[in-house]
This record gives sequence, C-alpha cells and structure tokens, in this order.
Amino acid sequence: DTGVSQDPRHKITKRGQNVTFRCDPISEHNRLYWYRQTLGQGPEFLTYFQNEAQLEKSRLLSDRFSAERPKGSFSTLEIQRTEQGDSAMYLCASSLKGATDNSPLHFGNGTRLTVT
Amino acid sequence: AQTVTQSQPEMSVQEAETVTLSCTYDTSENNYYLFWYKQPPSRQMILVIRQEAYKQQNATENRFSVNFQKAAKSFSLKISDSQLGDTAMYFCAFMKPLGGTSYGKLTFGQGTILTVHP
Repeated sequence: DTGVSQDPRHKITKRGQNVTFRCDPISEHNRLYWYRQTLGQGPEFLTYFQNEAQLEKSRLLSDRFSAERPKGSFSTLEIQRTEQGDSAMYLCASSLKGATDNSPLHFGNGTRLTVT
Repeated sequence: AQTVTQSQPEMSVQEAETVTLSCTYDTSENNYYLFWYKQPPSRQMILVIRQEAYKQQNATENRFSVNFQKAAKSFSLKISDSQLGDTAMYFCAFMKPLGGTSYGKLTFGQGTILTVHP
C-alpha cells in the first residue's frame, strides 16, 4: 500500500491560466474522489469516479472544472481560466467498493493551488 | 441533504489528559456511517475511527473512542491519555448508506483544532 499520491504539491498560477492536477489512487481501489478544502474549513465534495465512470458531480464543480479518469487508474482535475476564488487545497481520496462494504476513504497530501 | 456541525473551533488539553470533541449531524437516513478524521498540520488526512449507525456499541480504537447517540444525532470523540502527536485538526464526517449512488461520499464538519500541550 503506497498510499494516494498527488502531483504537484503546490501550484501558483496567474488568474486566467489553466491548471491540471494528477491523482494516483491506491492501486486496487476502484473509487476515486476529489474534494476542495479552503483554509480552516472541512473538505467539500467535488466529484467521484467508480472505475472510469464519473458517477456524481457537485454543484461546486462549475463549467471551468473537468475531471477525468480515462483508464480507471489515475485521475486528472483541470481548472480552466482560474479565478482567485479557486485558491484552495485540492484533495484526492480513494476507496474500494466491495459487494457488502466500502472501505474508508484514504486521502492524499493534496495540491495547494494559489491563484494570483 | 446531510449536515455536520462541529461547534468547537479550538480545543486544548494537557498531555496525558482526556479530551472530548463534539459533533452533531442532521439526516433523514436510518442507516449510515460516521467517521472522525485527523489532519495534522501540513500533512494528509487520516482515519481515526469509524461507526456504523446500525451498531449500538460505541467504536473504540486504542486511545480513541466515540459516544454515539443516534436519537440525539450526536457523535463525540474521546481521546484518552493525549499525546503531543494528537495535535491536529479533527473532522467529523457522515457517509450515506450502501446502495445509493452517493455511497462513499463524505460530508465533513468544519473541524476542531486540537492542541496538546506538554
């Protein structure tokens, strides 16, 4: 179990630029989640995948946000035309959905985005 | 929609003492899961303890235990023999039951910053 890996750890970008983050889940986990966490707050759900299918998207995920998980393994989260309000920590988590239970979510270290 | 409320923004405790963090939630579901996660400064979030709503017995995990009051929709975390390494932000979280498309999605509270003093 190598854990959930996120890249990069930090990203500073200018307003209006596009950014892309990557998440590599724990290898046998079939569910992958993206959350956003602003300073001093709890994480807010953005979207999740079961294998390569995106099953749910939050209303927080505007048209400028897109997430993919093309082969059911790693995932990318892209933000187009970034705004200062996008500055936050973006957390990825993964879990294993079994027939009778679901393992707890395992979180990565996050990508901290700063939009200047 | 579910909501999770943590009414204590900050708590502090002396090393080796016991502290209790509060959490209340609101849901119309009868079966669900509750969690406490710990997020140390600049480090990843890790699971502390988990409780299934259909189990009346309170979950325990070494020095960590919960007081789950389903009727009151309360889920507090007790940390016994506090250690310096327990210093972190603690989040209470709710998960819908198995079977729905939202299963596995966590709803978090605002968090409680716990500081353990030597």
